[in-house]
Amino acid sequence: HLVLTQSPSASASLGASVKLTCTLSEGYSSYAIAWHQHQPEKGPRFLMKLNSDGTHSKGDGIPDRFSGSSSGAERYLIISRLQSEDEADYYCQTWATGSPVVFGGGTRVTVL
Amino acid sequence: EVHLVESGGGLVQPGGSLRLSCAASGFSFGAYWMSWVRQAPGKGLEWVANIKQDGSEKYYVDSVLGRFIISRDNAASSLDLQMNSLRAEDSAVYYCARFRVTYGLSYCDSWGQGARVTVSS
Repeated sequence: HLVLTQSPSASASLGASVKLTCTLSEGYSSYAIAWHQHQPEKGPRFLMKLNSDGTHSKGDGIPDRFSGSSSGAERYLIISRLQSEDEADYYCQTWATGSPVVFGGGTRVTVL
Repeated sequence: EVHLVESGGGLVQPGGSLRLSCAASGFSFGAYWMSWVRQAPGKGLEWVANIKQDGSEKYYVDSVLGRFIISRDNAASSLDLQMNSLRAEDSAVYYCARFRVTYGLSYCDSWGQGARVTVSS
């Protein structure tokens, strides 16, 4: 069945880049996903849709520092020029016909 | 600008009921699917329920099936979640979200700030 797997944590220095990974379960490698940011004490925020070919479309007002790419069953979120406000939990999400809406377990990003 | 505001959260005893509401503005509410998503303390996001534009289709996560009911009032741009037979494991912040159904991917593209529900005696 459809599962999204994320590493629980990632960290990088202020001004550096970090690459987060979301892995689709076997048989679902062609699926697109969405990336969401969840800052403490706020509602989540949609960042982007990311297709299997790496093309992506971002939500309104999402900075250029956020980008996405894909390779096989892996979907990546790249945050460049890290800022303190990027410290948050990041979730991937997808949906398949006949399945519930699925979220990955989330990756907590720490800015050092 | 899309604006989603949840209300109705609070403390309820196990077995009790609670009704959450979400007031939507800034978009044509009746043209979109809507969702409820929750986050239990120390856990990740979990989808709870979806409802189609006209309310004719509703989907739920297995753990709430038969206990929760999602509904909407398009004239009032309002989304509700009636929660019955509440359990401690239903304690969470509940988020209202606009759910975009497109070819190739369906996803939450706008979120509210959340309403906290605590189930405890």
